[in-house]
Amino acid sequence: QKEVEQDPGPLSVPEGAIVSLNCTYSNSAFQYFMWYRQYSRKGPELLMYTYSSGNKEDGRFTAQVDKSSKYISLFIRDSQPSDSATYLCATTKAAGNKLTFGGGTRVLVKP
Amino acid sequence: EPEVTQTPSHQVTQMGQEVILRCVPISNHLYFYWYRQILGQKVEFLVSFYNNEISEKSEIFDDQFSVERPDGSNFTLKIRSTKLEDSAMYFCASSEIQGAGSPLHFGNGTRLTVT
Repeated sequence: QKEVEQDPGPLSVPEGAIVSLNCTYSNSAFQYFMWYRQYSRKGPELLMYTYSSGNKEDGRFTAQVDKSSKYISLFIRDSQPSDSATYLCATTKAAGNKLTFGGGTRVLVKP
Repeated sequence: EPEVTQTPSHQVTQMGQEVILRCVPISNHLYFYWYRQILGQKVEFLVSFYNNEISEKSEIFDDQFSVERPDGSNFTLKIRSTKLEDSAMYFCASSEIQGAGSPLHFGNGTRLTVT
């Protein structure tokens, strides 16, 4: 079983729609959860960083963590064409910063 | 906003040659990392570095690889004898602290092509 799984997409939505992205993980030792955005041939850019179960909101982005189900989500409201990118979930155990990444979901927001 | 910078952006080398990839982490960060991403695959952890020594490394990081902080600002990854399968994007990252899940900030990567 892969440690972090993510649907590769592509996920195509019209401009203004809500984008819904998900990851599942298998190891209950993972405590910290991140979402990164990666444009083509660029480095991952940190979007959201959460620890506890529940919701965290930052502008148009909402991250959800459900540790009981080992399920994390990212929602992007009022999506824009500039949101077209690959979104990577990542997680780490409490003791260090070795990130384990999902494979990424490619998102395309059409004008 | 401070950022992690990497040079060169693209490096082409022949199999068996040595390459050095360079990174300048964010200035007040203390923890440094190398990750790689083979085309179409996941971003994978290679090594973490703190206080001038390796703190953790993956199975990928074998004797062909080494890291160094030669001065107060640069952080380098050396591949001693490159193989075709070393072709990938190599990302440097840094973080302020460790242990509390301090988020990592990544550079834009060096694309290494081994021919």
